[in-house]
Amino acid sequence: DADVTQTPRNRITKTGKRIMLECSQTKGHDRMYWYRQDPGLGLRLIYYSFDVKDINKGEISDGYSVSRQAQAKFSLSLESAIPNQTALYFCATSEGGKKMPQHFGDGTRLSIL
Amino acid sequence: AQTVTQSQPEMSVQEAETVTLSCTYDTSESDYYLFWYKQPPSRQMILVIRQEAYKQQNATENRFSVNFQKAAKSFSLKISDSQLGDAAMYFCAYQGGSNYKLTFGKGTLLTVNP
Repeated sequence: DADVTQTPRNRITKTGKRIMLECSQTKGHDRMYWYRQDPGLGLRLIYYSFDVKDINKGEISDGYSVSRQAQAKFSLSLESAIPNQTALYFCATSEGGKKMPQHFGDGTRLSIL
Repeated sequence: AQTVTQSQPEMSVQEAETVTLSCTYDTSESDYYLFWYKQPPSRQMILVIRQEAYKQQNATENRFSVNFQKAAKSFSLKISDSQLGDAAMYFCAYQGGSNYKLTFGKGTLLTVNP
């Protein structure tokens, strides 16, 4: 079983719809992250959370919101999807400490028509 | 803000040969960590190797090794005895700062020719 699970794996939806991407982990890590990957741009940080009561904006948070429902769950919402939010979205987790690597889920490919 | 630059959008190598992927970064911090991640067509992000900035010794993981030049802010990845399964997008990433976030380069697409 995957340590970091993202659902759905793929999603096609229409402009204006509300969408939630979910991430759960069994690694027991406190820190969770949401990234967006666009071709030619690498991965960019949307939001991150160091514990259930700690939520922080990343470099591209506009148009997104998050919820940390439990230590193991971190969801990303698009309140009103627009086509330029079409991308591959990754959730990642890590232990505390600067040197701890991040462990990624398999990604959600989101297409907004 | 930290930046990570991968100057080679694409590289190719013959099977069993050696290839080096380049990465440079910009930072004013002294304590940070550097990573190489591999993304095969399956789109998973797989940690390949990591380097701690305070360690002078270059990290090695089997066929993968790095050349870390702290003064030059350079962190290249060498893949020896390349295999078909090494074909993937490779991302260099910097981790530091108070929030420990990863800053990624734009990636290098590696093709391995049989």
